[in-house]
Amino acid sequence: SQQGEEDPQALSIQEGENATMNCSYKTSINNLQWYRQNSGRGLVHLILIRSNEREKHSGRLRVTLDTSKKSSSLLITASRAADTASYFCATEGGGSYIPTFGRGTSLIVHP
Amino acid sequence: SQTIHQWPATLVQPVGSPLSLECTVEGTSNPNLYWYRQAAGRGLQLLFYSVGIGQISSEVPQNLSASRPQDRQFILSSKKLLLSDSGFYLCAWKAGAVWGYGYTFGSGTRLTVV
Repeated sequence: SQQGEEDPQALSIQEGENATMNCSYKTSINNLQWYRQNSGRGLVHLILIRSNEREKHSGRLRVTLDTSKKSSSLLITASRAADTASYFCATEGGGSYIPTFGRGTSLIVHP
Repeated sequence: SQTIHQWPATLVQPVGSPLSLECTVEGTSNPNLYWYRQAAGRGLQLLFYSVGIGQISSEVPQNLSASRPQDRQFILSSKKLLLSDSGFYLCAWKAGAVWGYGYTFGSGTRLTVV
């Protein structure tokens, strides 16, 4: 079963704007990860945030985690056309080393 | 550095034919290995995972099977393909039974059963 659920399912913005995607999950976690998938390709790991962390940055990416609300957000600042992709969150925890992926957010950045 | 190879990239097979997809990892030892399937526009469905040679766990009872004949080789098979087996198959690995590390995915195999 899929624990993480991304919101929105689809997002369309102009180049230069910020893109925010959210992920909600149901059970306790050890960490939460975000991945990007370009069309027809494999997933690429972007960033991992541990359950005891609240915010993490990597370049233009900013991830927040609120364990009390069981939710996370991924912010892409100053988006570029090359950011067009699907973005997935995945959670690990509950004694399992098997990641549980959401259904993804499809992001389109118009040049 | 670690790399993961998955092949073939695309495959068109008739219903009832056998299937063999291969995944190999280089530059690491004793990885956890995973097979996922992704339907069009959907999330990832875990099919099989392996924590060691000959150790296979199945998440979804179906027409597929997996094997791990060597430490860094993971094979997805079917004796007779069904139309419903069509999809995008992804292999992934992780450095053993530890938390705090991301998963590395192969480039995927697009399987179309006709």
